[in-house]
Amino acid sequence: NAGVTQTPKFRVLKTGQSMTLLCAQDMNHEYMYWYRQDPGMGLRLIHYSVGEGTTAKGEVPDGYNVSRLKKQNFLLGLESAAPSQTSVYFCASSYPAGQGEQYFGPGTRLTVT
Amino acid sequence: AQSVTQPDIHITVSEGASLELRCNYSYGATPYLFWYVQSPGQGLQLLLKYFSGDTLVQGIKGFEAEFKRSQSSFNLRKPSVHWSDAAEYFCAVGAFTGGGNKLTFGTGTQLKVEL
Repeated sequence: NAGVTQTPKFRVLKTGQSMTLLCAQDMNHEYMYWYRQDPGMGLRLIHYSVGEGTTAKGEVPDGYNVSRLKKQNFLLGLESAAPSQTSVYFCASSYPAGQGEQYFGPGTRLTVT
Repeated sequence: AQSVTQPDIHITVSEGASLELRCNYSYGATPYLFWYVQSPGQGLQLLLKYFSGDTLVQGIKGFEAEFKRSQSSFNLRKPSVHWSDAAEYFCAVGAFTGGGNKLTFGTGTQLKVEL
């Protein structure tokens, strides 16, 4: 049981390049989330999904797109990276209700130059 | 909309001393409250959570937190800090609706432990 895994762990992009971050969970969770973490700002929700084939915007969605084609995977895309997207990105998953506890992946550190 | 305030950005305590990290929240209904810990270069690990019932909740690693509705607070405590507790601590409030169990995090408190 690996929990929540993220690929890659580190990445450096040039401004304007694109990339996709992959999140996978093996806990059969319905809900999945993408956050970004910046110094002094805590974690902010980018996008989330309440089930396969559905996505929704969070607090800071601009410049990002997501897809949830399979229940266990949640992809975060940057179509044209900007230096302001330099951050640490965390994926999380949870059951829909009841406890609601979110389980986090180890993070992806992205630098855009 | 919900919000969380962690007024202390940095806290330094001596090993063996007691610890209290402050958290104040704003939420219109009964809150679901969490404390997470993040070690350097790691993801977030849940320490404890409050959903309902007993206002004093016990968590892992000897941590506890007390929910005080009248003060809109959910402070984290530990009676005796260990050097391995040095990390960043995040308080979060949850809004659980059909549109997702969205968490709002505070900005974190960095804990340093002096030996």
